[in-house]
Amino acid sequence: AQKITQTQPGMFVQEKEAVTLDCTYDTSDQSYGLFWYKQPSSGEMIFLIYQGSYDEQNATEGRYSLNFQKARKSANLVISASQLGDSAMYFCAMREGSRSASKIIFGSGTRLSIRP
Amino acid sequence: DTEVTQTPKHLVMGMTNKKSLKCEQHMGHRAMYWYKQKAKKPPELMFVYSYEKLSINESVPSRFSPECPNSSLLNLHLHALQPEDSALYLCASSQVLRAASYEQYFGPGTRLTVT
Repeated sequence: AQKITQTQPGMFVQEKEAVTLDCTYDTSDQSYGLFWYKQPSSGEMIFLIYQGSYDEQNATEGRYSLNFQKARKSANLVISASQLGDSAMYFCAMREGSRSASKIIFGSGTRLSIRP
Repeated sequence: DTEVTQTPKHLVMGMTNKKSLKCEQHMGHRAMYWYKQKAKKPPELMFVYSYEKLSINESVPSRFSPECPNSSLLNLHLHALQPEDSALYLCASSQVLRAASYEQYFGPGTRLTVT
C-alpha cells in the first residue's frame, strides 16, 4: 500500500530564508506522481508543484523546487526566499499509476510559519 | 478560468435535516472528487467521478450520496448526519487522461457543522 510521511509537524523560518519541507513515500508501483499542495487558513488547497516518477530532472515552479531522490524515496519541497504569505499548511501527496482520475493520498502535513 | 466553486461556504444542519453541497467547474475537466477534511488532518478521499460515472467510493456511509448531473456539476447530498461528520468538505476536479501529471484543482470548501 502506498504511504506518504511528513515528519515535521511544524516549522518556523525567518522571512527571506530558504526552507525545506521533508516528504518520504512508499510505493511498489513504478509509475507514480508526487505533488505538493499549500493550504492557507482559508481552507483552499493550492497546487504548487508536480514530479513524475520517470522525470529525470527536479521540478521547479518559480520559488518552489522539488528535490526528488528516487532511490531514497524522498520528494522534499524547497521554498526559496520565503515570504510572510508562505505561512500555511503544506501537504505532500502521491498518485499511483498512470491515470489522472485516480486516488491521491496526502501526508499528514507540515505547518510552516514565517517570522518577519 | 481555473476556478472550482463550492456552495455554501458554511452550513449548519441538524441530524434530521437533508441538505446538499454543490460544486461547479468550467475547465472542461471530466474527473471530479469529494474529500472530507477534519481539523489539523489531511484531506481524505470520499468519491471520484470520471465522465459523470462514479468510479471510486472509499467505503463512505450511505448518509452521504454523491451525484454528478453533468460534466460541470458535482453534488453531495447529506441526510441523517452525525456530529462526527462535521468537517471541511472539499471538491476538486482534474483532467482524465493517461497522464498522472494532471493536478487536481480544489474549491474553497464547505465548512459543515452537524448539531
